[in-house]
Amino acid sequence: DAGITQSPRHKVTETGTPVTLRCHQTENHRYMYWYRQDPGHGLRLIHYSYGVKDTDKGEVSDGYSVSRSKTEDFLLTLESATSSQTSVYFCAIKGSGDTQYFGPGTRLTVL
Amino acid sequence: DQQVKQNSPSLSVQEGRISILNCDYTNSMFDYFLWYKKYPAEGPTFLISISSIKDKNEDGRFTVFLNKSAKHLSLHIVPSQPGDSAVYFCAAEAGNMLTFGGGTRLMVKP
Repeated sequence: DAGITQSPRHKVTETGTPVTLRCHQTENHRYMYWYRQDPGHGLRLIHYSYGVKDTDKGEVSDGYSVSRSKTEDFLLTLESATSSQTSVYFCAIKGSGDTQYFGPGTRLTVL
Repeated sequence: DQQVKQNSPSLSVQEGRISILNCDYTNSMFDYFLWYKKYPAEGPTFLISISSIKDKNEDGRFTVFLNKSAKHLSLHIVPSQPGDSAVYFCAAEAGNMLTFGGGTRLMVKP
């Protein structure tokens, strides 16, 4: 357990509405990541952060934005949700030995 | 173009036998490789890793082999147990970012 929590754990929303997912860590790790998991694609990196207010894009960043105003919180925002963003979202931190550890996930359904 | 591939979507083995999961990659910049195990409705759990300067790493029943010239890594589980039934992802790191394969579902039959 790397001290990572995600909220909410489940969310159903409608197309066009904004959605924010939260990742919280308790161990002061510098690097935090957001991934999405879809069948046949494994996990794909959306955005990551390497410090407070320092973020960068991943492989599938279109339609997503992130913010990190405190070390412990990394927020993922879908400004206007689309059905293609229905997925399971995982947050991760980079711990000791360059290994990433994952949170429990958020299942998002966009109707 | 997928930089990390797991060509077997599923694998079934008998309890007590060896499970071998394979992974191929194309990017020579990858310098660290990891295997994760995932149960339904849970986050991926780290299993074992290997640096690009090594060719083998062992941890209990789990061994990872890296063949850099072939750009291939494999995970061996010996002996396999029913509790090992899960989806296994290989991942490769370059520049603080991981690239994942599509996963292999392992089923260990009693």
